[in-house]
Amino acid sequence: QVQLQESGPRLVKPSETLSLTCTVSGGSISSGSYYWSWIRQPPGKRLEWIGYMHDNGNGKYNPSLKSRVTISGDTFKNQFSLKLSSVTTADTAVYFCARVGRVGLSYGTFYFADWGQGALVTVSS
Amino acid sequence: QSVLTQPPSASATPGQRVTISCSGSSSNIGGNTVNWYQQLPGTAPKLLIYNTNQRPSGVPDRISGSKSGTSASLAISGLQSEDEADYYCTTWDDSLNGVLFGGGTKLTVL
Repeated sequence: QVQLQESGPRLVKPSETLSLTCTVSGGSISSGSYYWSWIRQPPGKRLEWIGYMHDNGNGKYNPSLKSRVTISGDTFKNQFSLKLSSVTTADTAVYFCARVGRVGLSYGTFYFADWGQGALVTVSS
Repeated sequence: QSVLTQPPSASATPGQRVTISCSGSSSNIGGNTVNWYQQLPGTAPKLLIYNTNQRPSGVPDRISGSKSGTSASLAISGLQSEDEADYYCTTWDDSLNGVLFGGGTKLTVL
């Protein structure tokens, strides 16, 4: 089974860029079989999808975050990363990375098969 | 409308059957598969149901998913104390062009 682990700074100042890395073990991010994703959960609120990444360069981002988000991969380290720019206190959340399974080719058949344990990132001065 | 609506809470006694609903629209549940996740306090969500009614390996068959029109349901029979958790539905929304999560249902085993 694929295992995922988030890492990165847990405290970020407003207006700066949040950066997190997900290290994958038990599977390769460059296998071409899967997409990879970031999801977040603000304290006491519902989960929110941030975006998908595929090693072929295809990506898909939440329209509400698209202007501030970049998800990219490092195949040599078997990691993928999240960068969220111009953060505010509203971006304080537990950030999860996940492996995406799929039944078909359309996004409507995707699901989050495996999750990292999550990383609480606080935006505060 | 691009929103998934779940009841905020549900409860039942051990051994009983409970159903959790997820209401959407033609742009999301009506045209795409639905997935369900279980989240225990302080932990990451765990996949329970994918492709509307498929169980991943290791998920017991007392847990099932279904869909009718623009609504989906998660059913748990033979309720156990370890089923006490938050449950989330999710699907793709063609209008939003993104993934939607329901607000979550907190299941209490009385």
